Amino acid sequence: DAKTTQPPSMDCAEGRAANLPCNHSTISGNEYVYWYRQIHSQGPQYIIHGLKNNETNEMASLIITEDRKSSTLILPHATLRDTAVYYCIVRYPMDSNYQLIWGAGTKLIIKP
Amino acid sequence: GAGVSQSPSNKVTEKGKDVELRCDPISGHTALYWYRQSLGQGLEFLIYFQGNSAPDKSGLPSDRFSAERTGGSVSTLTIQRTQQEDSAVYLCASSLVPGAGNTIYFGEGSWLTVV
Repeated sequence: DAKTTQPPSMDCAEGRAANLPCNHSTISGNEYVYWYRQIHSQGPQYIIHGLKNNETNEMASLIITEDRKSSTLILPHATLRDTAVYYCIVRYPMDSNYQLIWGAGTKLIIKP
Repeated sequence: GAGVSQSPSNKVTEKGKDVELRCDPISGHTALYWYRQSLGQGLEFLIYFQGNSAPDKSGLPSDRFSAERTGGSVSTLTIQRTQQEDSAVYLCASSLVPGAGNTIYFGEGSWLTVV
């Protein structure tokens, strides 16, 4: 079972900030939160990841709540090219092997 | 190369035939993963390689599926006696080392259609 819950779809106006929520209420202390996106017919693209501190890179910001049970991915100035399915993933260790448990993601549609 | 490279990008095969899908990970990456994604679905983990360790095959859906990784670099995913339900995009990914803090990078996938 996926360990994350995301809304199935969201709309955002071009140029505005897109805020994508994710619930991961069963996350444990050594599990990271990762965000990927997948534009139609392409392989998943890494966006950002974090453990407990907020993170920012050239693509996005990641806000993780203090209890780590939820997070928000922020695309500060959405463009039409940001239309994609966004996946929030919790990575957990299984001995020395690691798997990604993927949910259905959020389909983000940027509107002009 | 600069990224994870997969071939072929598209493959149409007849039911019952065998197919081989190739993955060339990012240079220096020791961990290699195979996933499958059916149309409109999320990713399904298939198999994981790490260095010379025995692979984690727990995601392979049947014994028709196998994978190997030669020399710790290139990997081949083989599907024997293909069935129509095998139609999907097969994604390969790699990471520098295993560990939850290390980013996994994906290739563009091999689109398999079984007719």
